[in-house]
Amino acid sequence: GENVEQHPSTLSVQEGDSAVIKCTYSDSASNYFPWYKQELGKGPQLIIDIRSNVGEKKDQRIAVTLNKTAKHFSLHITETQPEDSAVYFCAASTGTYKYIFGTGTRLKVLA
Amino acid sequence: GAGVSQTPSNKVTEKGKYVELRCDPISGHTALYWYRQSLGQGPEFLIYFQGTGAADDSGLPNDRFFAVRPEGSVSTLKIQRTERGDSAVYLCASSQSSSGVGELFFGEGSRLTVL
Repeated sequence: GENVEQHPSTLSVQEGDSAVIKCTYSDSASNYFPWYKQELGKGPQLIIDIRSNVGEKKDQRIAVTLNKTAKHFSLHITETQPEDSAVYFCAASTGTYKYIFGTGTRLKVLA
Repeated sequence: GAGVSQTPSNKVTEKGKYVELRCDPISGHTALYWYRQSLGQGPEFLIYFQGTGAADDSGLPNDRFFAVRPEGSVSTLKIQRTERGDSAVYLCASSQSSSGVGELFFGEGSRLTVL
């Protein structure tokens, strides 16, 4: 079955710097890749997603890139702010309801 | 409108006891999911409902776990003979998508602690 690996597990950046989180997946049939942000005591919330027919997608300070050949995708956050501090999860799906999540990255933005 | 509501937010029980966790999805969402999140891990798929029926329960770890959604709205996750290894946050999510792909709206979870 699908396996999703996520790195790094923790990431500290200075406010205003960029943050990059990387994920790899194993199932070449995966075609949908969402990213979720989870704040303490809350459920995960979708922040951006990408489908396999697109190589890059951007939404304000957040962007996701996908390399299907290498089977990896990345989340890029520019101009980080303290409110970006949270745990971020990548996920992969073969186009069905079953999402396989990575193990998460705890991002700390230092003021 | 209201988001996904889960009750209780916290449940402490003793090993061997029975527990029920409730999920009230966003009104009109036909798809409902249960995930389990252990400390420091990502959500792990348990079961998926499309309407009233369990379309896929392959993620349930064993037959002590069971979930229902009798009227296609509220769902209950039931755990019999709880074990310490069942301790985790149980997340419920709902979605408008009939295909399953699309944004999942998660509740805040029910934290289960088995002593």
